[in-house]
Amino acid sequence: QVQLQESGPGLVKPSETLSLTCAVSGASISSYYWSWIRQPPGKGLEWIGFIYYTGSTKYNPSLKSRVAMSLDTSKEQFYLELTSVTAADTAVYYCARERRGWDTKWFDPWGPGTLVTVSS
Amino acid sequence: SYVVTQPPSVSVAPGQTATISCGGNNIGSKTVSWYQQKPGQAPLLVFSDYGDRPSGIPERFSGSKSGNTATLTISRVDSGDEADLYCQVWDSTSDVVFGGGTKLTVL
Repeated sequence: QVQLQESGPGLVKPSETLSLTCAVSGASISSYYWSWIRQPPGKGLEWIGFIYYTGSTKYNPSLKSRVAMSLDTSKEQFYLELTSVTAADTAVYYCARERRGWDTKWFDPWGPGTLVTVSS
Repeated sequence: SYVVTQPPSVSVAPGQTATISCGGNNIGSKTVSWYQQKPGQAPLLVFSDYGDRPSGIPERFSGSKSGNTATLTISRVDSGDEADLYCQVWDSTSDVVFGGGTKLTVL
């Protein structure tokens, strides 16, 4: 059974960098694509981007200038960095396994999520 | 950019059938996935019209699509089905697109 677990600081100051880790168990990180998705309090879901074990990435254009993803295959972990954060980046951040098919992709499973609040 | 639209809320009586719509340009030609999110929990894939039914998801959850509308149908609804439901598609221009979510209330 594939399981994901997010971790990282729950509070980040404005203009600083948000850094999160997603630990994967039950599957090899080298076998799938992995995504980050966020959800501001009381709002909907926003895809942030994905990373593949080769290091290939793609980011949501709305966040592209501030996002970086990386991974460590030896630790079965992947990472999210979001720079120059503002209050608008306050959200629950989820990591998820990205599944792909012909002309499609979906997410299963998801981690439980971690709330990151941007505040001084 | 590709946009998908969901009604903000749907209400249904226990034992009845709930239908949650997801509108988008020619969405019938795309693969649509649906996620259920209960309060304080992560989204859970409940249906995708690509591949097998997700493990552990009852057959009460089913999906259909035609033209500009996709629909998630939940039969024999009970109070445990109260949740936010999100549709999601992949588009060659916009990549991953989520609907705004529909809150399902069981009366």
